[in-house]
Amino acid sequence: SQQGEEDPQALSIQEGENATMNCSYKTSINNLQWYRQNSGRGLVHLILIRSNEREKHSGRLRVTLDTSKKSSSLLITASRAADTASYFCATRTSYDKVIFGPGTSLSVIP
Amino acid sequence: KAGVTQTPRYLIKTRGQQVTLSCSPISGHRSVSWYQQTPGQGLQFLFEYFSETQRNKGNFPGRFSGRQFSNSRSEMNVSTLELGDSALYLCASSLQGIEAFFGQGTRLTVV
Repeated sequence: SQQGEEDPQALSIQEGENATMNCSYKTSINNLQWYRQNSGRGLVHLILIRSNEREKHSGRLRVTLDTSKKSSSLLITASRAADTASYFCATRTSYDKVIFGPGTSLSVIP
Repeated sequence: KAGVTQTPRYLIKTRGQQVTLSCSPISGHRSVSWYQQTPGQGLQFLFEYFSETQRNKGNFPGRFSGRQFSNSRSEMNVSTLELGDSALYLCASSLQGIEAFFGQGTRLTVV
């Protein structure tokens, strides 16, 4: 089974709205990362949050990490049509393996 | 600086054949990881190399193998191809296995 599980699987919002995606994982982690993928192309690294951090910001992105609940959330504020993509969380476990979740497909409608 | 380069971008092979995919990491990056992406299974970790040594391996059969050269370039090989091996194969490089930079992938179709 997947280490990371994103929720929801698909999300459709209007341009300008905020988008929130959640990721849950099962084992201890060293860090958690979020990636974006456009139309089956390569993944683009968005943000990394370490296991001892609780929140991190990067531009319109805000990531939170709750290690007690083994979950993370990615918030994209003021969404744009160009944000339409699939978003994946990836965890690096204490055994140093990187495991990706199944992803959330985000559609931003202009 | 140049990004991660994967070659070829597209490949069509017949069942039973073997295939070799190549990945050139970002200059200075010594860690290279490989992933298989399919609609049904999502992104699955294949293996990770650091300084020519395999550090980690995912749950794939022995038909999937890889190696890393002294210049950090990496290749992965799939022997005795099966229809289910059709996928997007992604390579990622990183300085110390933390933030990974991905190539555009090789789209393999097995017919």
